[in-house]
Amino acid sequence: QVQLVQSGAEVKKPGASVKVSCKASGYTFTSYGISWVRQAPGQGLEWMGWISAYNGNTNYAQKLQGRVTMTTDTSTSTAYMELRSLRSDDTAVYYCARVFPDAFDIWGQGTMVTVSS
Amino acid sequence: EIVMTQSPATLSVSPGERATLSCRASQSVSSNLAWYQQKPGQAPRLLIYGASTRATGIPARFSGSGSGTEFTLTISSLQSEDFAVYYCQQYNNWPPLYTFGQGTKLEIK
Repeated sequence: QVQLVQSGAEVKKPGASVKVSCKASGYTFTSYGISWVRQAPGQGLEWMGWISAYNGNTNYAQKLQGRVTMTTDTSTSTAYMELRSLRSDDTAVYYCARVFPDAFDIWGQGTMVTVSS
Repeated sequence: EIVMTQSPATLSVSPGERATLSCRASQSVSSNLAWYQQKPGQAPRLLIYGASTRATGIPARFSGSGSGTEFTLTISSLQSEDFAVYYCQQYNNWPPLYTFGQGTKLEIK
């Protein structure tokens, strides 16, 4: 079946970086985009950015420009999201989602990232 | 930046009754509007895209309407599994850019 499986929970110190993976299966990876969304504890959904799995084009939320990088590895059908210079307010569940046709039809299970000294 | 505002923040409805959730955009988004349902501890689930098209496997009791700046999600007869938080989301085709509303919590009355 179509699914996105994300990497496990992370605990990082302020100033560090985190890289979350999202492995796709059950569909042609390069035919769809991937977006990343995060959700701080008890809060709503925040869109972080989008990457084309076809050609690697990206568009990031303005708020995260300069701190976030999204990449894909088509050989393993995996998308990655790296966030640098972590702060306590980056503590959140991070989701990847398939973009089809413009909305997010398949979601990963989420990855908890905790930033704490 | 387009701001999405959902109302009410919390809606209390009895099972079997109808629920109407609203979403307003700060400027026109045409029909580029989606609705998601999220239950505690779970990832969001796509319900509606294109303002009114149900996603695969979504029951017919869920319907979406609206265009431009005003949108509505209606659940015609609430089932116990429908009590959750609902988010609207606008999308811009190019460059791909998305904005979520702050969510409406649908609770049992």
